[in-house]
Amino acid sequence: GQQLNQSPQSMFIQEGEDVSMNCTSSSIFNTWLWYKQDPGEGPVLLIALYKAGELTSNGRLTAQFGITRKDSFLNISASIPSDVGIYFCAGDYSGGGADGLTFGKGTHLIIQP
Amino acid sequence: GAVVSQHPSRVICKSGTSVKIECRSLDFQATTMFWYRQFPKKSLMLMATSNEGSKATYEQGVEKDKFLINHASLTLSTLTVTSAHPEDSSFYICSARDSSNEKLFFGSGTQLSVL
Repeated sequence: GQQLNQSPQSMFIQEGEDVSMNCTSSSIFNTWLWYKQDPGEGPVLLIALYKAGELTSNGRLTAQFGITRKDSFLNISASIPSDVGIYFCAGDYSGGGADGLTFGKGTHLIIQP
Repeated sequence: GAVVSQHPSRVICKSGTSVKIECRSLDFQATTMFWYRQFPKKSLMLMATSNEGSKATYEQGVEKDKFLINHASLTLSTLTVTSAHPEDSSFYICSARDSSNEKLFFGSGTQLSVL
């Protein structure tokens, strides 16, 4: 299936720095989702966005659903060591529940001591 | 919150054997479940959509006879990797869509290693 264009592929940052990643698609999605995955685990939902233009926060995380419904970004403020992991964006057509998610390729977040 | 239980979490098998992976929605009904495959440090790729009471829908390139899916109840889907080979070694993840609100929940994944 189609994949989303997620960038950057990896990030090497210092603890306390802010992080920003984004996803774009040539297709319109009804829902944008951001997940974090730790090694050997399934993805854990961070933020779900349901409306174009929607800006949603979850603690230090902020995500927005682009106006065109073809893009989204995720920001993490004041990063801490436990933020390390792989972050995936995912688009959901969710027209009738019959479709699986389309995932981005992931952003590997590495925090340097 | 809604929980999806996936078992086993890790399995090692010999080449040529079959392996069954279970995905259960513990506190909601799921008419639709999904099976994904993930290689190390790569994205999740949808393999198939599992529909309760009917045949699964497979993505292009996924062998139906190789990856058997059964969704016999509203809370259970199984993926059987038949005659497993080393190239089938991967991380398999299921997700279930809550029929009442359309929200998706993921299992914790199964790491399959075929020797």
